Amino acid sequence: NAGVTQTPKFQVLKTGQSMTLQCAQDMNHEYMSWYRQDPGMGLRLIHYSVGAGITDQGEVPNGYNVSRSTTEDFPLRLLSAAPSQTSVYFCASSFTRDRGFRETQYFGPGTRLLVL
Amino acid sequence: AQKVTQAQTEISVVEKEDVTLDCVYETRDTTYYLFWYKQPPSGELVFLIRRNSFDEQNEISGRYSWNFQKSTSSFNFTITASQVVDSAVYFCALSEAESNDYKLSFGAGTTVTVRA
Repeated sequence: NAGVTQTPKFQVLKTGQSMTLQCAQDMNHEYMSWYRQDPGMGLRLIHYSVGAGITDQGEVPNGYNVSRSTTEDFPLRLLSAAPSQTSVYFCASSFTRDRGFRETQYFGPGTRLLVL
Repeated sequence: AQKVTQAQTEISVVEKEDVTLDCVYETRDTTYYLFWYKQPPSGELVFLIRRNSFDEQNEISGRYSWNFQKSTSSFNFTITASQVVDSAVYFCALSEAESNDYKLSFGAGTTVTVRA
């Protein structure tokens, strides 16, 4: 099991450019999510998906798009990069269970993004 | 409102000292889960423990132990006989079982530095 993988590890963009951060998991997890980590703020949820074909917004979704065409993949798209999107991005996944239960979320290694 | 507070920003200890990391949470849900993650200098997020709101038993895993007290809404983490390899940022996180987004609400993290 590779677990949760992310590519690229590091990326530099110019303001206005677009790009896609890739995330894949091989654990057959229904739930996948994207977080961004900024200094002193912990991690904040950008978008999430509870299964193929189902996505929804987290707490900081502006400027990002997601899609979930397969169980394994959950790419994050930056439509027009801005310096405020400079951050470390983490993808996570977990099983989902009945309402009232929470499984452990496992994180990928992260993508460090710098927007100039 | 901040749901998870880690009041200690940084802690520095000498090897073999014990170190306790504080985590205070806030929720109205009766069912919730608490987590601790470790982020070493390499940057990945490593899962340490998951605890649900109905299980107040303390847990010990090697040099790590956790003290969960619902009466004070705290879930503290102690490293006994610290080692240099324990140097990392440690995050406490809360997941409320009634939420539809399975979001982890993270604290801001505590940076632990263990000096040889």
